[in-house]
Amino acid sequence: GENVEQHPSTLSVQEGDSAVIKCTYSDSASNYFPWYKQELGKGPQLIIDIRSNVGEKKDQRIAVTLNKTAKHFSLHITETQPEDSAVYFCAASQSGGSYIPTFGRGTSLIVHP
Amino acid sequence: DTGVSQDPRHKITKRGQNVTFRCDPISEHNRLYWYRQTLGQGPEFLTYFQNEAQLEKSRLLSDRFSAERPKGSFSTLEIQRTEQGDSAMYLCASSDADRTTKETQYFGPGTRLLVL
Repeated sequence: GENVEQHPSTLSVQEGDSAVIKCTYSDSASNYFPWYKQELGKGPQLIIDIRSNVGEKKDQRIAVTLNKTAKHFSLHITETQPEDSAVYFCAASQSGGSYIPTFGRGTSLIVHP
Repeated sequence: DTGVSQDPRHKITKRGQNVTFRCDPISEHNRLYWYRQTLGQGPEFLTYFQNEAQLEKSRLLSDRFSAERPKGSFSTLEIQRTEQGDSAMYLCASSDADRTTKETQYFGPGTRLLVL
């Protein structure tokens, strides 16, 4: 089955800095890669996703890059704000069938004012 | 579109008791997924439905767990004879398998279960 590794487990930055979270996956058949933000006591919220037919996608301060050859993808947050503090999860799944994602273990992002 | 809702948000029970959780998906979403999340981990898949049919169950879903989606709308997850190891956040997600964004799942707020 699919295995998703996520690093780092904790990331501490100053407000205004950039943050980068990296994930690797094992199954070359995976072709859909969502990122979720989870605040304390809440469910995961989809913030951005990318499909394997593109290498990069951007939405305001958030961007995701995908390297299919190396089987890794990354989340980039620029100009971080204290409200970006949360746990971020990457995931990988396949189109055609159940679309059941395999999640990474999460990265706790702390943005210091 | 009111999003995915789950009830209750918190549940404390004693070992050996039965508990039932409810999930209401985004209206007209035909797929509904249940996950379990423990501290420091990502969500782990338990089972999913397409309309009223339960199509897949994880090995994590022991015979003490049962899920239903009788009319293809809301779903219930029941845990019988709860054990302390069942303590976790139970998450529900829904998606529309008929759209081009069929892989995209939207999560509810979760039900946090504590078994004493």
